[in-house]
Amino acid sequence: DAKTTQPTSMDCAEGRAANLPCNHSTISGNEYVYWYRQIHSQGPQYIIHGLKNNETNEMASLIITEDRKSSTLILPHATLRDTAVYYCIVRVLGLAAGNKLTFGGGTRVLVKP
Amino acid sequence: NAGVTQTPKFQVLKTGQSMTLQCAQDMNHNSMYWYRQDPGMGLRLIYYSASEGTTDKGEVPNGYNVSRLNKREFSLRLESAAPSQTSVYFCASRRLAGEAGELFFGEGSRLTVL
Repeated sequence: DAKTTQPTSMDCAEGRAANLPCNHSTISGNEYVYWYRQIHSQGPQYIIHGLKNNETNEMASLIITEDRKSSTLILPHATLRDTAVYYCIVRVLGLAAGNKLTFGGGTRVLVKP
Repeated sequence: NAGVTQTPKFQVLKTGQSMTLQCAQDMNHNSMYWYRQDPGMGLRLIYYSASEGTTDKGEVPNGYNVSRLNKREFSLRLESAAPSQTSVYFCASRRLAGEAGELFFGEGSRLTVL
């Protein structure tokens, strides 16, 4: 699986959009980009995933660059409950390779009032 | 709707003791996973089971064994605990091993080995 690089930490103002970058310059054509978050040492929570098109769900939007070497997770209106560690992961599908989902260090996001 | 349930939530062991962490999911998922998370670190895959009756090693399998007891349950055993195994252990499941769907995680089991 391709390696990802994320900032170690970032702050965000409550009510504002939070834009979380992720670099995955060695991503291959069949690798998806996934985002999970972990609040307070709870179990990680799935947010969103995509291959090459931008994706949006009730939690967030995922913007993937045309060359797929980087992506941005957007939390449109950050709340205090969005304070968490956010993990960007790339993963190839398929029975064997797709199981070894590796979570790196992530970005520690602090939403401030 | 419990999702993924792990027991115990907390455990303290002495070096050399053995124990089993239990995991059960009620979502009829085929694949299940065990991860460990050390303080300030991301998650590392220990073992996974793509389907009932199969298990495979992840990144850090040494010192652990697993059993896929049935479709619902996937246990992780420490035969002779070591202080280096002090960690938070997460169980997860997914509907099908190779698909794009999300992983559902349990709340974690916090293990301290003295």
